[in-house]
Amino acid sequence: AQSVAQPEDQVNVAEGNPLTVKCTYSVSGNPYLFWYVQYPNRGLQFLLKYITGDNLVKGSYGFEAEFNKSQTSFHLKKPSALVSDSALYFCAVRDGKSGGYNKLIFGAGTRLAVHP
Amino acid sequence: DGGITQSPKYLFRKEGQNVTLSCEQNLNHDAMYWYRQDPGQGLRLIYYSQIVNDFQKGDIAEGYSVSREKKESFPLTVTSAQKNPTAFYLCASNRGGGAKNQPQHFGDGTRLSIL
Repeated sequence: AQSVAQPEDQVNVAEGNPLTVKCTYSVSGNPYLFWYVQYPNRGLQFLLKYITGDNLVKGSYGFEAEFNKSQTSFHLKKPSALVSDSALYFCAVRDGKSGGYNKLIFGAGTRLAVHP
Repeated sequence: DGGITQSPKYLFRKEGQNVTLSCEQNLNHDAMYWYRQDPGQGLRLIYYSQIVNDFQKGDIAEGYSVSREKKESFPLTVTSAQKNPTAFYLCASNRGGGAKNQPQHFGDGTRLSIL
């Protein structure tokens, strides 16, 4: 079955330290992977995507993600966390069975808390 | 600026009542989606539409209905058959079609509660 797992409900990090939010996936065919961020009472904002090519993808607000095919992972990273990065983060993969549609399968989300 | 507008921001439903959530986009996107967000469960797909006058059931369509009469608009009706409608509802859109790598753009959601 196709799925996305975010194994941590919450990640705590001190401001200025590097952060990692983990994501693993299971999908048929080539994976199209996305990271989104959600602030309270707002919609999701797109951060970055992996389609093909370099395994290290750079996105908005200094975030990057590393695609690892052998481990079926797509972890989100940032070298130096900011308090303003505190939010809910979602990993998503395109449903390989959606044909011409771009259906996404979302993980349950990871809450990132950056402490001053 | 282009974007997705959802209204109202907050909505209350009485028992036995149908309510409609509005979603309008001016991004000229073909595909539109409705998601339900519950705490700790991520987003679940309710309905999606690739083109005008066409839509497909998602994973949790029971108790919901949609229409797609215009490219810009994709309203969602929460019917009285949906026994647990309290949730945050998100509308999204993207170019759809063969553009498999296009991210979805989201509105700011409607929070629906039961009176």
